[in-house]
Amino acid sequence: AQTVTQSQPEMSVQEAETVTLSCTYDTSENNYYLFWYKQPPSRQMILVIRQEAYKQQNATENRFSVNFQKAAKSFSLKISDSQLGDTAMYFCAFSGRNLNTGTASKLTFGTGTRLQVTL
Amino acid sequence: NAGVTQTPKFQVLKTGQSMTLQCAQDMNHEYMSWYRQDPGMGLRLIHYSVGAGITDQGEVPNGYNVSRSTTEDFPLRLLSAAPSQTSVYFCASSSIRGSFSGANVLTFGAGSRLTVL
Repeated sequence: AQTVTQSQPEMSVQEAETVTLSCTYDTSENNYYLFWYKQPPSRQMILVIRQEAYKQQNATENRFSVNFQKAAKSFSLKISDSQLGDTAMYFCAFSGRNLNTGTASKLTFGTGTRLQVTL
Repeated sequence: NAGVTQTPKFQVLKTGQSMTLQCAQDMNHEYMSWYRQDPGMGLRLIHYSVGAGITDQGEVPNGYNVSRSTTEDFPLRLLSAAPSQTSVYFCASSSIRGSFSGANVLTFGAGSRLTVL
């Protein structure tokens, strides 16, 4: 079974600064997906970024980027130029690859990191 | 498109009562799932389905039933509610067809907060 660990329950960053959220995972699979989801106070789960394990290049989405270290099973999220709207709970998630059975969509989530962006 | 619609948004039950959380999606997604979110525990998978007539258990299935009679709907039933089932419940769906890069992205509903007294 896969496990996802987020060791930082809470973090704080000042507006316009950069912050990195940590995530490690454990799996015996070689092909898989990793995700970061954001949950603002509205409670809606929003996909921030995803990484395919067979791609060595780190994914980026505007101010969000990841540092994917496959050998170390590490998948950190970097938020640049932090904005007040980035205040949210951030969840790291893992999905194996099995399109035939649909288990590719079974996400395993970490326990989350609550990020507070301050003025 | 409405995406994933969950009802009700809030519900209070007494121990032993039954209820159904409704989930509907209009994206023709094959995969649908239910998660519960508890403080300090992230989201945990309850049940999932890869198509009409097919369901399977996730990590925490006890106390919950599901069925998938249509592609669009995936209701979650609590037959005899317990205080341990107090939680926020999320329904999520995705496509499992097409290229690998197009699959796996879950679309979530807005969540349902359930309190069992």
